[in-house]
Amino acid sequence: GAGVSQSPRYKVAKRGQDVALRCDPISGHVSLFWYQQALGQGPEFLTYFQNEAQLDKSGLPSDRFFAERPEGSVSTLKIQRTQQEDSAVYLCASSPSRTGRGNQPQHFGDGTRLSIL
Amino acid sequence: DQQVKQNSPSLSVQEGRISILNCDYTNSMFDYFLWYKKYPAEGPTFLISISSIKDKNEDGRFTVFLNKSAKHLSLHIVPSQPGDSAVYFCAASRLAGKSTFGDGTTLTVKP
Repeated sequence: GAGVSQSPRYKVAKRGQDVALRCDPISGHVSLFWYQQALGQGPEFLTYFQNEAQLDKSGLPSDRFFAERPEGSVSTLKIQRTQQEDSAVYLCASSPSRTGRGNQPQHFGDGTRLSIL
Repeated sequence: DQQVKQNSPSLSVQEGRISILNCDYTNSMFDYFLWYKKYPAEGPTFLISISSIKDKNEDGRFTVFLNKSAKHLSLHIVPSQPGDSAVYFCAASRLAGKSTFGDGTTLTVKP
């Protein structure tokens, strides 16, 4: 497809379970970002990849959150031992820009709505 | 410490009139500013952007103004249409890195 694709669209898990969220960025986009959006708030940065390198993970809220992009395209955000406060929409965005080399907008997927019971 | 703020949670305007959405930021290192539009159950869609070296950028009905001394930007929509009803997010970034978002303004355009 032409846009950023995220799956699943909705995920319900019991507290303590592990979840994995997938992001397929736009083909050829170098940069990939994950954001967390709580209800009524704007997206908040979690982590950033340039190709397969995770250059910034300063926004990950705890060591239960882990992200990877092993081949520089598809990315997975994993949350271990989920807690109720992890309930949010998780957004993935990609951009053709490299950090420090030209500003271009990020293109977002429709997100995964995660609910922890 | 919220670095990007949208102080108006909602705005209602009549179709055909101007919509003005405002955004303030605190980090003077930001060099790129964007507006995104979001419909329910969809991701944010890029609308318009402006580099810190400019003070105005126009694209059809949408114009973004940047006042660096006041650390303030605004989005003007003229004329407003019912299809413009959505949540609008202001965002800022530095060196093409991560974006910092405001909490959004819900725009309602009444026919």
